[in-house]
Amino acid sequence: AQSVTQLGSHVSVSEGALVLLRCNYSSSVPPYLFWYVQYPNQGLQLLLKYTSAATLVKGINGFEAEFKKSETSFHLTKPSAHMSDAAEYFCAVNNAGGTSYGKLTFGQGTILTVHP
Amino acid sequence: ETGVTQTPRHLVMGMTNKKSLKCEQHLGHNAMYWYKQSAKKPLELMFVYSLEERVENNSVPSRFSPECPNSSHLFLHLHTLQPEDSALYLCASSQVDRANEQFFGPGTRLTVL
Repeated sequence: AQSVTQLGSHVSVSEGALVLLRCNYSSSVPPYLFWYVQYPNQGLQLLLKYTSAATLVKGINGFEAEFKKSETSFHLTKPSAHMSDAAEYFCAVNNAGGTSYGKLTFGQGTILTVHP
Repeated sequence: ETGVTQTPRHLVMGMTNKKSLKCEQHLGHNAMYWYKQSAKKPLELMFVYSLEERVENNSVPSRFSPECPNSSHLFLHLHTLQPEDSALYLCASSQVDRANEQFFGPGTRLTVL
């Protein structure tokens, strides 16, 4: 079984401040991990993914995430928030689960607000 | 067109209507998915088609009926829906492999009156 917990349904930061969105996962096998972003009235866009290569993963828009197996975490960070980063962010895990197509399990989402 | 497209983007229907949502992927993928996104709830996986065969149906009511005529197209046929079915319906596609990175369409905002 696999699951994802995103700590904090809402995070608020000032423009230029550090962004930290937390994600913890559980998986019975080595996981593949993803962060997606969703802007209002749009679909989900992939920010970055961990697929068992480097533990520090860089994504689009200046975001990065670090896979920490000992902590079962995959937190998303950005050194300096921009107003355009305001959106909802989803962490997801896929362990293939023995199926040929794989199955993503999503966290509940974290709404990021950036204020001037 | 590139990526994953969905039509219509918005749909309002009565409980007795029949309508269909359409999804098309232009990525050469071989798996397609329907998700339901309701306010204050996690994304719910509804259906999965892999190589044009339905491989997952997550206890979805029969008033939702998927169809996958080929690897590029996916439909969700709707009939006698309930107001609680109002939500954003997202389509996604992926290439079946271990990572299974999914690419999402913009969604259809459905309102059932």
